[in-house]
Amino acid sequence: AQKITQTQPGMFVQEKEAVTLDCTYDTSDPSYGLFWYKQPSSGEMIFLIYQGSYDQQNATEGRYSLNFQKARKSANLVISASQLGDSAMYFCAMRDRNFNKFYFGSGTKLNVKP
Amino acid sequence: DTEVTQTPKHLVMGMTNKKSLKCEQHMGHRAMYWYKQKAKKPPELMFVYSYEKLSINESVPSRFSPECPNSSLLNLHLHALQPEDSALYLCASSQASGGLSSYNSPLHFGNGTRLTVT
Repeated sequence: AQKITQTQPGMFVQEKEAVTLDCTYDTSDPSYGLFWYKQPSSGEMIFLIYQGSYDQQNATEGRYSLNFQKARKSANLVISASQLGDSAMYFCAMRDRNFNKFYFGSGTKLNVKP
Repeated sequence: DTEVTQTPKHLVMGMTNKKSLKCEQHMGHRAMYWYKQKAKKPPELMFVYSYEKLSINESVPSRFSPECPNSSLLNLHLHALQPEDSALYLCASSQASGGLSSYNSPLHFGNGTRLTVT
């Protein structure tokens, strides 16, 4: 069963505007972590932000924030004030407690327009 | 600077060659991973080592052979590969599962090896 769903294969955003990348997940484990990664065309996978299932507040890291809605099982990434360097693939991932396994979504290709 | 180092960055090999990919981490992590990634796709898990023991093998063909000599090093030995094995190979590390909050620990990736099989 698919654990992570990213429904937006590609998105465009104007420079300096905010953008939301969608991610929904499925797990029966009460303890889990949700992660977002950025992959530029150069190939490296860059860890951006993390949200734990017990965290009461939405995670923030600089221009990145995670809109965590536990009841809806969604963990959307919000990028504020988009920059040209934000153009990349973005992957949502989940890890549950008992296994050394991460589940990745299919990714969203973000293009920032000048 | 990445704390997970992969070498080489690029590799071109023939179908009869034997080569190895190397990965080193200095983050004190006890879980290490090999992923294969095709263009515009998410990473596909190949192998996981936990405390230097192979814990997950995702039915990878035997022409790929992993090795974990110690807690910091992870190798992937390649032999008799096919052109369809051309891909980006990513190494990663994380805290091993089983700890109180191990699910909090993200994957930390190396920069990858771009492999072309001719």
